Amino acid sequence: AQSVTQLGSHVSVSEGALVLLRCNYSSSVPPYLFWYVQYPNQGLQLLLKYTSAATLVKGINGFEAEFKKSETSFHLTKPSAHMSDAAEYFCAVTRPGAGSYQLTFGKGTKLSVIP
Amino acid sequence: SQTIHQWPATLVQPVGSPLSLECTVEGTSNPNLYWYRQAAGRGLQLLFYSVGIGQISSEVPQNLSASRPQDRQFILSSKKLLLSDSGFYLCAWSTRDGRSYGYTFGSGTRLTVV
Repeated sequence: AQSVTQLGSHVSVSEGALVLLRCNYSSSVPPYLFWYVQYPNQGLQLLLKYTSAATLVKGINGFEAEFKKSETSFHLTKPSAHMSDAAEYFCAVTRPGAGSYQLTFGKGTKLSVIP
Repeated sequence: SQTIHQWPATLVQPVGSPLSLECTVEGTSNPNLYWYRQAAGRGLQLLFYSVGIGQISSEVPQNLSASRPQDRQFILSSKKLLLSDSGFYLCAWSTRDGRSYGYTFGSGTRLTVV
């Protein structure tokens, strides 16, 4: 079975500070991992994905994440937070289903950016 | 390019009334289709997925149902809404190998049952 745990339902950072959103996964098969961002009343947008190539993955809007197998982690980082980064972030892992691969999502981390 | 359309954007319905939410995908064939619900504090819950016309798998028992009458059309329905059906409903699609590419989500429907 696959699952993800996002540590911290709410994270606040100052504008210009480092953003670190934590995600740990559990997977019975080599995982594919994803980070999505959701702005209020909108759908989810893919930020980045790990699909067993490079362990350091760069995404949109200056975000990146590093896959660490030994720590079963896939934390999302950004060196300098912008006000526009305020949103909810979801980590997800794939799991096989009948004829498809399904995403299992974490419960999300709401990021607030303080001016 | 592929696009996904979901409507309506918002909906207020009385308890006991029927529901029909529609989702269509353009620019791809044979997509996998998904319905998720997002309720406050509960994250994203997979409700249904479909790998082909008429093929529906349910993840969670509830008073909702889904249908896929055409390859790129996915409908979420209910005969009688409950207060607990309130939430943000998201449709998504993926290629058959969603493992590699993840999902593309629609813009969502905010359903309030009153």
